[in-house]
Amino acid sequence: DAGITQSPRYKITETGRQVTLMCHQTWSHSYMFWYRQDLGHGLRLIYYSAAADITDKGEVPDGYVVSRSKTENFPLTLESATRSQTSVYFCASRGDWHEQYFGPGTRLTVT
Amino acid sequence: GENVEQHPSTLSVQEGDSAVIKCTYSDSASNYFPWYKQELGKRPQLIIDIRSNVGEKKDQRIAVTLNKTAKHFSLHITETQPEDSAVYFCAALMNAGNMLTFGGGTRLMVKP
Repeated sequence: DAGITQSPRYKITETGRQVTLMCHQTWSHSYMFWYRQDLGHGLRLIYYSAAADITDKGEVPDGYVVSRSKTENFPLTLESATRSQTSVYFCASRGDWHEQYFGPGTRLTVT
Repeated sequence: GENVEQHPSTLSVQEGDSAVIKCTYSDSASNYFPWYKQELGKRPQLIIDIRSNVGEKKDQRIAVTLNKTAKHFSLHITETQPEDSAVYFCAALMNAGNMLTFGGGTRLMVKP
């Protein structure tokens, strides 16, 4: 589990501000994912990336932007934060046999 | 798209009893089915998974069964302990895709 980290762990921001959540993995996994977790909705995929410079939308991509310039990093940006984006955000990477490993999560509050 | 239904949403058992959580999926091409355990305030952690070429897999007190014809799979926990209390998520991977679709989760409470 120490192979995938997220920062910050907690963030409070105001509506309309831009905020970037960081994700870093040390396994050199090709695939990386961003999920949000809200009460009553389980885990929902925001974006995923199959490799550096390859990204694709998940179930709930609106309001989010991702990039993947290096294999080990997969930042998630909220360009103009809204209260509905208050959530816990999990980054994950995928091993050779489809198993996904989750980061510790970032608890984001938008006021 | 892929849909995964998970039942029950909450499950309360007495310590030492067995617990069973069931999931159904919609895409017959799905070929990988993991289960995750999430303790309060922690990340989801993979506890067991099964692929479509096997019908059952065991790891100590936990087991997963897969019925491809009926498109459902189940998690079985025997001799439950208080530390088994957590939220459990099932998921399914689409064969043609690269994404896991998660069930809604089951909150398991094991009473000592």
